[in-house]
Amino acid sequence: DIVMTQSPDSLAVSLGERATINCKSSQSVLSRSNNKNYLGWYQQKPGQPPKLLIYWASTRESGVPDRFSGSGSGTDFTLTISSLQAEDVAVYYCLQYYSTHFTFGQGTKLEIK
Amino acid sequence: DVQLVESGGGLVQPGGSLRLSCAASGFTFSTYWMSWVRQAPGKGLEWVANIKYDGSERYYVDSVKGRFTISRDNAKNSLYLQMNSLRGEDTAVYYCARLPGGTVTYPFSWGQGTLVTVSS
Repeated sequence: DIVMTQSPDSLAVSLGERATINCKSSQSVLSRSNNKNYLGWYQQKPGQPPKLLIYWASTRESGVPDRFSGSGSGTDFTLTISSLQAEDVAVYYCLQYYSTHFTFGQGTKLEIK
Repeated sequence: DVQLVESGGGLVQPGGSLRLSCAASGFTFSTYWMSWVRQAPGKGLEWVANIKYDGSERYYVDSVKGRFTISRDNAKNSLYLQMNSLRGEDTAVYYCARLPGGTVTYPFSWGQGTLVTVSS
């Protein structure tokens, strides 16, 4: 199975500052047939189900603020929050769906400094 | 409104069985792949299983293979997870989720989850 490793495990950022979360896959999740990276990002707040933020590594889901962006290709990916807002406090997960056996990263807890 | 509503969770003894259900509404259930994803208390997300829109393909995480069965009844707009030989490590909130179109890609719509507790 593809192993997804996020870094850091936790992160404290000041309001208005940039937050960056990394995700590395144990093998490439880039499809040669359609040149798409099978990588998504989710936000989860306490007591709530996960919320899809980004899919195909860089496509923002409808309704997601544009301060959220995804980048990367192959095995290395990044979720960036350009200007942290109080409501962004949450745990963030990457997910690979390249394999029929999906795997999530272990999660990154984002807090306010 | 699109809705996914899980039910069937509860307390079960180790070695026991439980059947989870996910009632879908607001979309054409029979055209979507579906997933079960779980989250142990205080832990991260773990994908459990996927099923194709017509039930002809099913995939499982290794830790549940042979014990859990994902199924669906498109006439009833319902997804199921039959869980047998339950273990303590199966204790989790179980979410059903919808995958877009007719593809096995990213889960984009989630239920609120149902809690399964395996304990004596």
